[in-house]
Amino acid sequence: DAKTTQPNSMESNEEEPVHLPCNHSTISGTDYIHWYRQLPSQGPEYVIHGLTSNVNNRMASLAIAEDRKSSTLILHRATLRDAAVYYCILRDVGETSGSRLTFGEGTQLTVNP
Amino acid sequence: AAGVIQSPRHLIKEKRETATLKCYPIPRHDTVYWYQQGPGQDPQFLISFYEKMQSDKGSIPDRFSAQQFSDYHSELNMSSLELGDSALYFCASSWDRSSYNEQFFGPGTRLTVL
Repeated sequence: DAKTTQPNSMESNEEEPVHLPCNHSTISGTDYIHWYRQLPSQGPEYVIHGLTSNVNNRMASLAIAEDRKSSTLILHRATLRDAAVYYCILRDVGETSGSRLTFGEGTQLTVNP
Repeated sequence: AAGVIQSPRHLIKEKRETATLKCYPIPRHDTVYWYQQGPGQDPQFLISFYEKMQSDKGSIPDRFSAQQFSDYHSELNMSSLELGDSALYFCASSWDRSSYNEQFFGPGTRLTVL
Protein backbone atom coordinates (compact mmCIF):
# COMPACT_ATOMS: atom_id res chain seq x y z
CA ASP A 1 0.00 0.00 0.00
CA ALA A 2 1.19 3.51 -0.78
CA LYS A 3 2.13 5.39 2.39
CA THR A 4 1.51 8.93 3.53
CA THR A 5 3.65 11.20 5.68
CA GLN A 6 2.23 13.99 7.78
CA PRO A 7 3.69 16.26 10.47
CA ASN A 8 2.93 15.00 13.96
CA SER A 9 1.44 18.29 15.08
CA MET A 10 0.53 21.78 13.94
CA GLU A 11 -0.78 24.84 15.66
CA SER A 12 -3.04 27.60 14.44
CA ASN A 13 -4.91 30.61 15.72
CA GLU A 14 -8.66 30.86 15.61
CA GLU A 15 -10.10 32.41 12.44
CA GLU A 16 -6.82 32.03 10.55
CA PRO A 17 -6.29 29.66 7.61
CA VAL A 18 -4.60 26.33 8.22
CA HIS A 19 -2.63 24.34 5.65
CA LEU A 20 -2.13 20.69 6.57
CA PRO A 21 0.42 18.96 4.32
CA CYS A 22 0.61 15.32 3.29
CA ASN A 23 3.34 13.61 1.29
CA HIS A 24 2.51 10.49 -0.72
CA SER A 25 5.42 10.05 -3.08
CA THR A 26 4.53 6.41 -3.93
CA ILE A 27 0.93 7.19 -4.88
CA SER A 28 -0.42 5.18 -7.79
CA GLY A 29 -2.57 6.47 -10.60
CA THR A 30 -5.66 4.81 -9.14
CA ASP A 31 -5.29 6.12 -5.57
CA TYR A 32 -7.83 8.61 -4.29
CA ILE A 33 -6.59 11.03 -1.61
CA HIS A 34 -8.97 11.12 1.34
CA TRP A 35 -8.89 13.22 4.47
CA TYR A 36 -10.61 12.29 7.70
CA ARG A 37 -10.41 13.91 11.09
CA GLN A 38 -11.05 12.65 14.59
CA LEU A 39 -12.23 15.04 17.26
CA PRO A 40 -11.54 14.09 20.87
CA SER A 41 -13.66 11.17 22.07
CA GLN A 42 -15.45 10.82 18.73
CA GLY A 43 -15.33 8.56 15.72
CA PRO A 44 -13.42 9.67 12.63
CA GLU A 45 -15.25 12.06 10.33
CA TYR A 46 -14.91 12.42 6.57
CA VAL A 47 -13.55 15.79 5.45
CA ILE A 48 -12.84 15.69 1.72
CA HIS A 49 -11.34 13.60 -1.06
CA GLY A 50 -9.95 14.04 -4.55
CA LEU A 51 -8.12 12.29 -7.36
CA THR A 52 -6.31 14.84 -9.49
CA SER A 53 -8.07 18.18 -9.39
CA ASN A 54 -8.40 20.54 -6.46
CA VAL A 55 -11.64 20.08 -4.55
CA ASN A 56 -13.76 22.34 -2.37
CA ASN A 57 -16.60 21.58 -0.01
CA ARG A 58 -18.26 23.29 2.90
CA MET A 59 -15.66 22.02 5.35
CA ALA A 60 -12.38 22.48 3.53
CA SER A 61 -10.39 22.61 0.31
CA LEU A 62 -7.98 20.03 -1.01
CA ALA A 63 -5.06 21.15 -3.13
CA ILE A 64 -3.33 18.34 -5.03
CA ALA A 65 0.13 18.79 -6.51
CA GLU A 66 0.42 18.37 -10.25
CA ASP A 67 2.55 15.22 -9.83
CA ARG A 68 0.12 13.99 -7.11
CA LYS A 69 3.02 13.24 -4.77
CA SER A 70 1.70 15.64 -2.17
CA SER A 71 -1.51 17.34 -1.15
CA THR A 72 -2.63 20.02 1.27
CA LEU A 73 -5.83 20.22 3.26
CA ILE A 74 -6.87 23.81 3.71
CA LEU A 75 -9.17 25.00 6.48
CA HIS A 76 -10.03 28.53 5.47
CA ARG A 77 -10.88 29.86 8.93
CA ALA A 78 -9.97 27.62 11.81
CA THR A 79 -12.34 27.41 14.74
CA LEU A 80 -11.84 25.81 18.12
CA ARG A 81 -14.04 22.96 16.91
CA ASP A 82 -11.45 22.13 14.24
CA ALA A 83 -8.98 20.94 16.87
CA ALA A 84 -8.57 17.28 15.96
CA VAL A 85 -6.25 14.66 14.51
CA TYR A 86 -6.28 14.92 10.72
CA TYR A 87 -5.54 11.82 8.66
CA CYS A 88 -4.47 11.76 5.02
CA ILE A 89 -5.40 8.35 3.55
CA LEU A 90 -4.91 6.84 0.10
CA ARG A 91 -7.61 4.55 -1.26
CA ASP A 92 -7.19 2.55 -4.45
CA VAL A 93 -10.11 3.00 -6.81
CA GLY A 94 -9.29 -0.39 -8.25
CA GLU A 95 -9.63 -2.09 -4.88
CA THR A 96 -12.63 -4.37 -4.88
CA SER A 97 -12.14 -6.09 -1.55
CA GLY A 98 -13.82 -3.50 0.59
CA SER A 99 -11.79 -0.30 0.51
CA ARG A 100 -10.73 -0.22 4.13
CA LEU A 101 -9.37 3.00 5.59
CA THR A 102 -5.73 2.62 6.64
CA PHE A 103 -5.04 5.24 9.28
CA GLY A 104 -1.43 6.33 9.65
CA GLU A 105 -0.01 8.79 12.12
CA GLY A 106 -2.06 11.87 11.44
CA THR A 107 -1.49 15.50 12.36
CA GLN A 108 -2.73 16.76 15.71
CA LEU A 109 -4.08 20.25 15.05
CA THR A 110 -4.24 22.64 17.97
CA VAL A 111 -6.30 25.81 17.54
CA ASN A 112 -5.51 28.67 19.87
CA PRO A 113 -8.24 31.16 20.82
CA ALA B 1 -30.10 12.87 9.50
CA ALA B 2 -29.77 9.34 10.81
CA GLY B 3 -26.30 8.32 11.87
CA VAL B 4 -24.55 5.06 12.60
CA ILE B 5 -25.72 3.59 15.89
CA GLN B 6 -23.53 1.46 18.10
CA SER B 7 -24.49 -0.37 21.22
CA PRO B 8 -23.59 -0.58 23.94
CA ARG B 9 -21.60 2.63 24.29
CA HIS B 10 -19.63 1.27 27.21
CA LEU B 11 -18.90 -2.30 28.22
CA ILE B 12 -16.89 -3.73 31.07
CA LYS B 13 -15.90 -7.38 31.01
CA GLU B 14 -13.58 -9.71 32.86
CA LYS B 15 -10.72 -11.61 31.24
CA ARG B 16 -11.84 -14.73 29.36
CA GLU B 17 -15.42 -13.48 29.07
CA THR B 18 -17.23 -12.83 25.81
CA ALA B 19 -18.65 -9.61 24.41
CA THR B 20 -20.97 -8.71 21.56
CA LEU B 21 -20.90 -5.29 19.97
CA LYS B 22 -23.70 -4.15 17.68
CA CYS B 23 -23.73 -1.72 14.80
CA TYR B 24 -26.73 -0.29 12.96
CA PRO B 25 -25.67 1.41 9.72
CA ILE B 26 -27.25 4.44 8.16
CA PRO B 27 -30.42 3.39 6.28
CA ARG B 28 -29.70 2.14 2.74
CA HIS B 29 -26.00 1.71 3.47
CA ASP B 30 -25.00 -1.82 2.54
CA THR B 31 -21.36 -1.85 3.66
CA VAL B 32 -20.19 -2.02 7.25
CA TYR B 33 -16.65 -1.69 8.58
CA TRP B 34 -15.21 -2.40 12.04
CA TYR B 35 -12.18 -0.60 13.46
CA GLN B 36 -10.32 -0.95 16.75
CA GLN B 37 -8.56 1.97 18.43
CA GLY B 38 -6.34 1.18 21.40
CA PRO B 39 -5.36 3.85 23.93
CA GLY B 40 -3.22 6.49 22.25
CA GLN B 41 -3.32 4.56 18.96
CA ASP B 42 -4.77 5.26 15.53
CA PRO B 43 -7.81 3.29 14.38
CA GLN B 44 -6.99 -0.12 12.88
CA PHE B 45 -9.24 -1.90 10.42
CA LEU B 46 -10.64 -5.22 11.57
CA ILE B 47 -13.18 -6.48 9.05
CA SER B 48 -15.85 -5.34 6.60
CA PHE B 49 -19.05 -6.64 5.04
CA TYR B 50 -20.79 -5.84 1.80
CA GLU B 51 -24.30 -7.07 1.15
CA LYS B 52 -24.06 -9.48 4.10
CA MET B 53 -20.87 -11.11 2.87
CA GLN B 54 -17.42 -10.58 4.31
CA SER B 55 -15.56 -8.39 1.85
CA ASP B 56 -12.25 -7.62 3.55
CA LYS B 57 -10.35 -8.80 6.58
CA GLY B 58 -7.67 -6.95 8.47
CA SER B 59 -5.89 -7.57 11.74
CA ILE B 60 -8.79 -9.26 13.46
CA PRO B 61 -7.83 -11.90 16.05
CA ASP B 62 -9.14 -15.41 15.55
CA ARG B 63 -11.00 -14.98 18.84
CA PHE B 64 -13.19 -12.38 17.15
CA SER B 65 -15.90 -13.04 14.62
CA ALA B 66 -18.43 -10.81 12.93
CA GLN B 67 -21.38 -10.98 10.62
CA GLN B 68 -23.85 -8.77 8.84
CA PHE B 69 -27.51 -9.63 9.03
CA SER B 70 -30.36 -9.37 6.54
CA ASP B 71 -31.32 -5.93 7.88
CA TYR B 72 -27.66 -4.86 7.34
CA HIS B 73 -26.86 -4.46 11.00
CA SER B 74 -23.63 -6.07 12.09
CA GLU B 75 -22.35 -7.71 15.24
CA LEU B 76 -18.77 -8.18 16.41
CA ASN B 77 -18.39 -11.16 18.72
CA MET B 78 -15.33 -11.28 20.92
CA SER B 79 -14.44 -14.35 22.98
CA SER B 80 -11.74 -15.19 25.52
CA LEU B 81 -11.25 -11.51 26.15
CA GLU B 82 -7.75 -10.32 27.02
CA LEU B 83 -6.59 -7.16 28.73
CA GLY B 84 -5.20 -5.97 25.39
CA ASP B 85 -8.66 -6.00 23.87
CA SER B 86 -9.52 -2.90 25.89
CA ALA B 87 -10.12 -0.29 23.22
CA LEU B 88 -12.63 1.83 21.39
CA TYR B 89 -14.43 -0.12 18.69
CA PHE B 90 -15.85 1.92 15.84
CA CYS B 91 -18.30 0.82 13.24
CA ALA B 92 -18.64 2.70 9.96
CA SER B 93 -21.02 2.36 7.06
CA SER B 94 -21.06 3.47 3.44
CA TRP B 95 -23.27 3.34 0.31
CA ASP B 96 -21.19 0.56 -1.12
CA ARG B 97 -17.65 -0.65 -0.91
CA SER B 98 -16.29 1.72 -3.51
CA SER B 99 -13.08 3.35 -2.41
CA TYR B 100 -14.28 6.83 -3.30
CA ASN B 101 -17.32 6.69 -1.03
CA GLU B 102 -16.99 8.25 2.39
CA GLN B 103 -17.39 6.15 5.46
CA PHE B 104 -19.68 7.38 8.22
CA PHE B 105 -18.50 6.44 11.68
CA GLY B 106 -20.52 5.69 14.76
CA PRO B 107 -19.70 7.04 18.23
CA GLY B 108 -17.88 3.86 19.20
CA THR B 109 -18.13 1.27 21.95
CA ARG B 110 -15.59 1.58 24.72
CA LEU B 111 -14.64 -1.90 25.89
CA THR B 112 -12.77 -2.28 29.15
CA VAL B 113 -11.41 -5.71 30.05
CA LEU B 114 -10.47 -6.16 33.71
